[in-house]
Amino acid sequence: EDKVVQSPLSLVVHEGDTVTLNCSYEVTNFRSLLWYKQEKKAPTFLFMLTSSGIEKKSGRLSSILDKKELFSILNITATQTGDSAVYLCAVEHGSSNTGKLIFGQGTTLQVKP
Amino acid sequence: DAGVIQSPRHEVTEMGQEVTLRCKPISGHNSLFWYRQTMMRGLELLIYFNNNVPIDDSGMPEDRFSAKMPNASFSTLKIQPSEPRDSAVYFCASSWGRGGGNQPQHFGDGTRLSIL
Repeated sequence: EDKVVQSPLSLVVHEGDTVTLNCSYEVTNFRSLLWYKQEKKAPTFLFMLTSSGIEKKSGRLSSILDKKELFSILNITATQTGDSAVYLCAVEHGSSNTGKLIFGQGTTLQVKP
Repeated sequence: DAGVIQSPRHEVTEMGQEVTLRCKPISGHNSLFWYRQTMMRGLELLIYFNNNVPIDDSGMPEDRFSAKMPNASFSTLKIQPSEPRDSAVYFCASSWGRGGGNQPQHFGDGTRLSIL
């Protein structure tokens, strides 16, 4: 059965800390792995990863994919209270032109002042 | 640019009533997805369309659920009759999909559905 597992499920840190969120997966016909941030409403897109070992970076956030070991990490450095959210990992899979997304349970991050 | 637009934002109705959720995808996107999010099961794909054609509806929970996409700029998800266990946040997402290099899905703000 296809699955995506995130860890930890929740995390509480203080401003300025660095956090690492984990995502492991088992799917057929892997196409890409995506990270989303969900605050009160819609999940907002952060990164899409398709190749192993190539780090994607956006400000204080970065992510990398390991297709051999079937996992990805999302790093957030110098955390701020605005980083508090649920971080969702999703894996796109499928053989058609449009891939299906399977989401992990999410990691709830709380950043305290 | 306008994002994915969903309506209504909130819907509260009684068990047995018909519920219709609406979605306008991002202009130019050719793939549309309907998801349901609950605390217990997280985000689950219900159905998706490519070029207005339903491709996979294996996530639709039962025959009470149906979805249509009559044109590239509009889709509906209908529940008839509704039941309390259908209470959830329903998201619509869209993307530009092409073989070998899909673009990420972008989500609407969701419809929070409560069935009493």
